[in-house]
Amino acid sequence: DIQMTQSPSSLSASVGDRVTITCRASQTISSFLNWYQQKPGQAPKLLIYAASSLQSGVPSRFSGSESGTDFTLTIRSLQPEDFATYYCQQSYRTPLTFGGGTKVEIK
Amino acid sequence: QVQLQESGPGLVKPSQILSLTCTVSGGSITSGAYYWSWIRQHPGKGLEWIGYIHYSGNTYYNPSLKSRLTISVDSSKNQFSLKLSSATAADTAVYYCARVGDKELELDYWGQGTLVTVSS
Repeated sequence: DIQMTQSPSSLSASVGDRVTITCRASQTISSFLNWYQQKPGQAPKLLIYAASSLQSGVPSRFSGSESGTDFTLTIRSLQPEDFATYYCQQSYRTPLTFGGGTKVEIK
Repeated sequence: QVQLQESGPGLVKPSQILSLTCTVSGGSITSGAYYWSWIRQHPGKGLEWIGYIHYSGNTYYNPSLKSRLTISVDSSKNQFSLKLSSATAADTAVYYCARVGDKELELDYWGQGTLVTVSS
């Protein structure tokens, strides 16, 4: 299985901060990397697919990038509704696997 | 707008079959390029992919569950289902159904999730 290692596991930030979350794949996955946001009691929501493509309806303050097997989700200016847990997921090979999640909390 | 809704028992006895159905609305389950997936989340934990199915019947299962797992599709009802045999407490989780998109196998539409508890 392809292991996805996310860091940090949690972070505290303030409204307006720039936030960066990293996901590292245990082997090459090309650009088959997706990012999700999950709020308590809700299903995950797709934010970014194919490493850097913004899903329709998602604010442009969210962006994704890649460098080899390292992938980054950036939130340009954190908004109150962005406090949530974020997951990366590889879709290069089955079994599909997720990172452990990053909880973004209010400082 | 595609919508998915999970349904099934919220309580299952150990050793019995955990059975869930996902009803798709706002689109046809036979729309060519899509797969239809199950994912679960143990309480307070991360996400685990269970498997997915194409309306043609092609399936892909997580090897960790494959020996106990069956995913099937009923195109006439626009539904797909999950059956997990020999349930144990370790199968207690929120179960989500989701559509696998046609770009890079992203999970683009999700159901709200349903909690299944395995307990006597």
